[in-house]
Amino acid sequence: GEDVEQSLFLSVREGDSSVINCTYTDSSSTYLYWYKQEPGAGLQLLTYIFSNMDMKQDQRLTVLLNKKDKHLSLRIADTQTGDSAIYFCAERRGAGNMLTFGGGTRLMVKP
Amino acid sequence: DVKVTQSSRYLVKRTGEKVFLECVQDMDHENMFWYRQDPGLGLRLIYFSYDVKMKEKGDIPEGYSVSREKKERFSLILESASTNQTSMYLCASSFPLLAGGSQETQYFGPGTRLLVL
Repeated sequence: GEDVEQSLFLSVREGDSSVINCTYTDSSSTYLYWYKQEPGAGLQLLTYIFSNMDMKQDQRLTVLLNKKDKHLSLRIADTQTGDSAIYFCAERRGAGNMLTFGGGTRLMVKP
Repeated sequence: DVKVTQSSRYLVKRTGEKVFLECVQDMDHENMFWYRQDPGLGLRLIYFSYDVKMKEKGDIPEGYSVSREKKERFSLILESASTNQTSMYLCASSFPLLAGGSQETQYFGPGTRLLVL
């Protein structure tokens, strides 16, 4: 099975908060990332968190990391239709250059 | 701004054809990566290169090869395309991890959607 897992789909109403969850298996993960992919486009880095942090806030985005449970979440406040996209979490293990990605969560925002 | 470009947005090829996917980055990044993206499977690493003429296999290298003759260019080659290689191919580049553990960001190209008939 995948080392990084996400649910496939999330639907929210415009103005609500969205929470996208991710679980990973490797306790040696050093950095964890959230990428956004809009239709027909490549991946855009949204935010990242170092493994010794448990929270990071960046405007409408809040990342929570529970290292004990190996659980990462991305909260988007006041979700807008422009936030509709696929969101990928990714982990980097140790000092390596490679990232392992989850399967992506498709966020649909209804007006 | 970092720019990663891929030679084609869409390609249609026949089974058995040799296929070249080109990726160019303009930020003097040492690292370059090729992924394929399939629904429900996320991104899977095919190959990466950490310097000119250097390459490492990723998770799914079978059926692919790569070439890095110049720092800015990383090519993915399908020697004999098969229908199970129909996919979206994404290229990325980054600086190497700095001593001390600073994070390195991978910047992605727009992707090449390949259809093998």
